[in-house]
Amino acid sequence: GQQVMQIPQYQHVQEGEDFTTYCNSSTTLSNIQWYKQRPGGHPVFLIQLVKSGEVKKQKRLTFQFGEAKKNSSLHITATQTTDVGTYFCAGPVAGNQFYFGTGTSLTVIP
Amino acid sequence: KAGVTQTPRYLIKTRGQQVTLSCSPISGHRSVSWYQQTPGQGLQFLFEYFSETQRNKGNFPGRFSGRQFSNSRSEMNVSTLELGDSALYLCASRQFLTDTQYFGPGTRLTVL
Repeated sequence: GQQVMQIPQYQHVQEGEDFTTYCNSSTTLSNIQWYKQRPGGHPVFLIQLVKSGEVKKQKRLTFQFGEAKKNSSLHITATQTTDVGTYFCAGPVAGNQFYFGTGTSLTVIP
Repeated sequence: KAGVTQTPRYLIKTRGQQVTLSCSPISGHRSVSWYQQTPGQGLQFLFEYFSETQRNKGNFPGRFSGRQFSNSRSEMNVSTLELGDSALYLCASRQFLTDTQYFGPGTRLTVL
């Protein structure tokens, strides 16, 4: 069945270091979305990528969608303590059902 | 616009009982999806409703059911609760023909 895997599952970084999480789908996605969930909170939409090879930036965050539309990455430059949380990728598959990735939990050490 | 609201926020039940959770989507959003979140399984899709019809269903047993009303509010019911049903239940709404989902704060269900 459809699977959306993310690596790593956990990441601890020193404040100021960079961070990257990778998302891989077993099937082609029409688009991919990224969400952030702060500890004790709920997922909040960050961005959507639609085109093959698309790259989008939001301040220190850079999102990429793979050429085959089966993988994506989120890169954070110079992490801050406000970046703490779990980052999920998600994509719609057949029937418009959403599959969320397994998530990457980011801890930033001050 | 007001965000997605869910009630109750916290719930404690015992095995064998049933529970009903409620979700009010953002005004104008006609699609409501439900997810179960647990530390071990991540975010698992339960079902999606659009215009009072179930449009998609995840891989959960029949004890999990839902419905949507004409005002787009949705309820989720879990019957014969099991310990493993302890989780954060999230609902998300979206506009028709868009993929961006807006999540509510969730209902934390504990089954004892």
